[in-house]
Amino acid sequence: GIQVEQSPPDLILQEGANSTLRCNFSDSVNNLQWFHQNPWGQLINLFYIPSGTKQNGRLSATTVATERYSLLYISSSQTTDSGVYFCAVEAHWNSGNTPLVFGKGTRLSVIA
Amino acid sequence: DSGVTQTPKHLITATGQRVTLRCSPRSGDLSVYWYQQSLDQGLQFLIQYYNGEERAKGNILERFSAQQFPDLHSELNLSSLELGDSALYFCASSVLGGPRNSPLHFGNGTRLTVT
Repeated sequence: GIQVEQSPPDLILQEGANSTLRCNFSDSVNNLQWFHQNPWGQLINLFYIPSGTKQNGRLSATTVATERYSLLYISSSQTTDSGVYFCAVEAHWNSGNTPLVFGKGTRLSVIA
Repeated sequence: DSGVTQTPKHLITATGQRVTLRCSPRSGDLSVYWYQQSLDQGLQFLIQYYNGEERAKGNILERFSAQQFPDLHSELNLSSLELGDSALYFCASSVLGGPRNSPLHFGNGTRLTVT
């Protein structure tokens, strides 16, 4: 099956700093989504981005499908950005209606 | 608030017991997915239902079963529980039959502790 690798596994930032999280995947994808799991365990959908670039406030994401990677940018980080960021993909070869495969996540800690 | 409702929030039970986890999808969503999150295995897909029918199956144990009812809510039944079943169980929903072109929205999860 498709493999999803996220880096770095852990990241500690000073409040106000910028960061880039990376997601590499082993096959062509139909679907790629980024999620944030906050310290209370809630999983929030950040982006649906199988290709191209999207922005939402201080967050933006870019997926280069031909090179099999996606990047999540966090600018001017805040303590509320802390948590685990997951990348999840659906392989292109799937006939459809198959689940998203999740990476192991990047654990971000933002310090005031 | 994602609009996906899961109950109960916490569940503590003993080995060998059976429990039922409940999920109500977002209004208008036809698909329900169940995921298990444990410390060592990460987020693992268990099973998906679309409009009452099983659509995809992942690493779901034979001791586990699920169903989606006509009102689209879903239940995940876990039986003969073992210590290793302790985990956070998430339900997610989407509009379409697969996650393609349809963002996945997660409930807050049910934390199961087996003692």
